Amino acid sequence: DAEITQSPRHKITETGRQVTLACHQTWNHNNMFWYRQDLGHGLRLIHYSYGVQDTNKGEVSDGYSVSRSNTEDLPLTLESAASSQTSVYFCASSDIGNSPLHFGNGTRLTVT
Amino acid sequence: QQQVKQSPQSLIVQKGGISIINCAYENTAFDYFPWYQQFPGKGPALLIAIRPDVSEKKEGRFTISFNKSAKQFSLHIMDSQPGDSATYFCAASKNTGNQFYFGTGTSLTVIP
Repeated sequence: DAEITQSPRHKITETGRQVTLACHQTWNHNNMFWYRQDLGHGLRLIHYSYGVQDTNKGEVSDGYSVSRSNTEDLPLTLESAASSQTSVYFCASSDIGNSPLHFGNGTRLTVT
Repeated sequence: QQQVKQSPQSLIVQKGGISIINCAYENTAFDYFPWYQQFPGKGPALLIAIRPDVSEKKEGRFTISFNKSAKQFSLHIMDSQPGDSATYFCAASKNTGNQFYFGTGTSLTVIP
């Protein structure tokens, strides 16, 4: 079955370090998204991509970057981790058009 | 600025009762309104979705009611069961771009 795999599931890092969260999908979807989930805020869009070499900023993109070198992967990089970036991060993918999102099981990141 | 407003934040319902979660939006360009269900430690999963050309959609015990003029939509869970205990997110998107805007979530607890 097609799926989205996120790794690691849990990560603890120190302030100022660079961190990369992996996302790999086997749906063969063109669209991929990164969200962060925080209590009281729901899911907020960080970055998204509509295809290889395409990346776009979402509503909370400061301090994050992504790259899309193939269809299957969209890694999320925190350039210099901050305590405010402690959160649960979800990767999602979708087909073109107004199609539903398929989510991974998330990465819980703690920045100390 | 929250594009989709969701209420209540939490809800406790007796087994067999009706659970109702409400959402409101402002952007009339939204044309796809899904509901996602999330269990602890998992990513959100699509539960049911509606487009604005219909006022109601039912799938089993789950019904979406949509009021285009009021820019509101709601999720009704009939005969609520303890297994329905989860966090529910409403969302909205435009056909152009497939970017989803999520509500802040409702934590539903169904008491046996």
